Amino acid sequence: DQQVKQNSPSLSVQEGRISILNCDYTNSMFDYFLWYKKYPAEGPTFLISISSIKDKNEDGRFTVFLNKSAKHLSLHIVPSQPGDSAVYFCAARSSGNTPLVFGKGTRLSVIA
Amino acid sequence: GAVVSQHPSRVICKSGTSVKIECRSLDFQATTMFWYRQFPKQSLMLMATSNEGSKATYEQGVEKDKFLINHASLTLSTLTVTSAHPEDSSFYICSARDLRQGESEQYFGPGTRLTVT
Repeated sequence: DQQVKQNSPSLSVQEGRISILNCDYTNSMFDYFLWYKKYPAEGPTFLISISSIKDKNEDGRFTVFLNKSAKHLSLHIVPSQPGDSAVYFCAARSSGNTPLVFGKGTRLSVIA
Repeated sequence: GAVVSQHPSRVICKSGTSVKIECRSLDFQATTMFWYRQFPKQSLMLMATSNEGSKATYEQGVEKDKFLINHASLTLSTLTVTSAHPEDSSFYICSARDLRQGESEQYFGPGTRLTVT
């Protein structure tokens, strides 16, 4: 039973355009959501997070949107750069000392 | 962001031997550490959660006698793969949080590639 789903295994975007990565979750107890970027043979790097009390959080080129009623969140990267090419993982957890639950990741390729 | 290190970054061992992987939080105290493993083109699968000074909590399907986890201090956790088999070959990643900081982020180490021959 996958609680965090990233239905698109890959995405290609042209440099300068917007990249939109989507994530759905099923557990209504999740109240904190994070996006991580990962290169092969490296650990994930934290990008941006959002609490369930917000519907948007922005940090530079990265914006995360949360739609609690739809149990959906998305990561927008604009403008996309070739260095953004990596695998992006969506993760979620409930409050307290609970571990992150990860999606399967989406491989983003930004084409120059 | 906070720094988490892992050692070694890669290790090759023979079947039947044991391997220890260290995870250190370098600039913060980790009240909780998590161990994940990742197979090629798969997501990160949580193996166990450990709180400093207590026994680790293992996820379903993870053998606690095979994957020994020790979290003896606020900056160090170790994962020992005992009697390793080729199917244990994987990418192991540790992660750490400081729960005393409230809703804190979870920081990841760079991972350890284990190959069992």
